[in-house]
Amino acid sequence: DGGITQSPKYLFRKEGQNVTLSCEQNLNHDAMYWYRQDPGQGLRLIYYSQIVNDFQKGDIAEGYSVSREKKESFPLTVTSAQKNPTAFYLCASSIHEGVDTEAFFGQGTRLTVV
Amino acid sequence: EDKVVQSPLSLVVHEGDTVTLNCSYEVTNFRSLLWYKQEKKAPTFLFMLTSSGIEKKSGRLSSILDKKELFSILNITATQTGDSAIYLCAVRPYLRGGADGLTFGKGTHLIIQP
Repeated sequence: DGGITQSPKYLFRKEGQNVTLSCEQNLNHDAMYWYRQDPGQGLRLIYYSQIVNDFQKGDIAEGYSVSREKKESFPLTVTSAQKNPTAFYLCASSIHEGVDTEAFFGQGTRLTVV
Repeated sequence: EDKVVQSPLSLVVHEGDTVTLNCSYEVTNFRSLLWYKQEKKAPTFLFMLTSSGIEKKSGRLSSILDKKELFSILNITATQTGDSAIYLCAVRPYLRGGADGLTFGKGTHLIIQP
């Protein structure tokens, strides 16, 4: 089935550790996005990528890093520099920046710092 | 900076009631407005609106956009307990120097009581 797969669903991290969240899509979409969701805050854009080997910072990129080595994959690393990493992380994709269509979301990863 | 404001932030009604959810926005170079339903994890797409005054309808849900007054409404008639969810409104601008991605509001948490 086509879709977006995020893993793991739940992740626990000790303070000072980097962790990487996986996002894979088999929809042949060019554009991929990472959002963070906190209670009462809606979704906020962390990073996005329109094409392989290129990505742009979103509104809250500090403390995060990404890579886009393959069209299907857009992993997000939460670094130790991120002061408040506990949140729900959603990955999304859409066809192409030139096509005005909806974004499809993965099931999310809930990250907890312990 | 793009801005999306949803109201109310939470709403509790009884099954069978009709509800109206509001979304106002400020965005440079507006392209489209999208509504999503988030029940547990992944937001699922409901509507995309690009033109004023044209109602989009899907079963008991409908939505309309007013580009002059910069707002949209989402109506749900004959509500059911399965409509309980967070409803998210998002706007997409035209590209701004390669930028893309949706700007989301904080969402309306709708609870339908039996």
